[in-house]
Amino acid sequence: QKEVEQDPGPLSVPEGAIVSLNCTYSNSAFQYFMWYRQYSRKGPELLMYTYSSGNKEDGRFTAQVDKSSKYISLFIRDSQPSDSATYLCAMALRSNDYKLSFGAGTTVTVRA
Amino acid sequence: SQTIHQWPATLVQPVGSPLSLECTVEGTSNPNLYWYRQAAGRGLQLLFYSVGIGQISSEVPQNLSASRPQDRQFILSSKKLLLSDSGFYLCAWMFGQHEQYFGPGTRLTVT
Repeated sequence: QKEVEQDPGPLSVPEGAIVSLNCTYSNSAFQYFMWYRQYSRKGPELLMYTYSSGNKEDGRFTAQVDKSSKYISLFIRDSQPSDSATYLCAMALRSNDYKLSFGAGTTVTVRA
Repeated sequence: SQTIHQWPATLVQPVGSPLSLECTVEGTSNPNLYWYRQAAGRGLQLLFYSVGIGQISSEVPQNLSASRPQDRQFILSSKKLLLSDSGFYLCAWMFGQHEQYFGPGTRLTVT
């Protein structure tokens, strides 16, 4: 079993729809959670960073963490064609943890 | 502001040839540095990371090696490339506790 599971998709939605992305994980000790966006042939860029459980909102993006279910989500409201990318979740165990555990990424296409 | 550079952007190499990919970071000192490989349609595989000059931790046994000759320079090398070494190589540095920032990547094709 992989430490971090992420449905690779692909996911195709019409412009303006809500995009819902999820990751599950097996290690309950994860405390720090991130979402990265990666455009084709580019390096990933950090989108959201959260600690422990709860919600975090940044513009059209909302990250949710449910540690009891070992489940994290990213929601994109009012999706735009420019949101078409691969989204990777990542997580870390401790504050001094040098390494991140990444999901495989979900490819999203927003149709104009 | 901090900037991370990688070169070359694209590389085509024959099997058995050597490899040297370079990564440099500007605007910060003593960063944690990372090399990842991303195969087509796959996630990120951590290859090496470094918390200081000359300090290299290897995550996977293979024919690749890494060196950090200077504080903000990280080099990925191979003496003899295999077909399976093809992929997208990404360098990253860590800001704060866990925020990793990635370079533009090098696309390597081994023929």
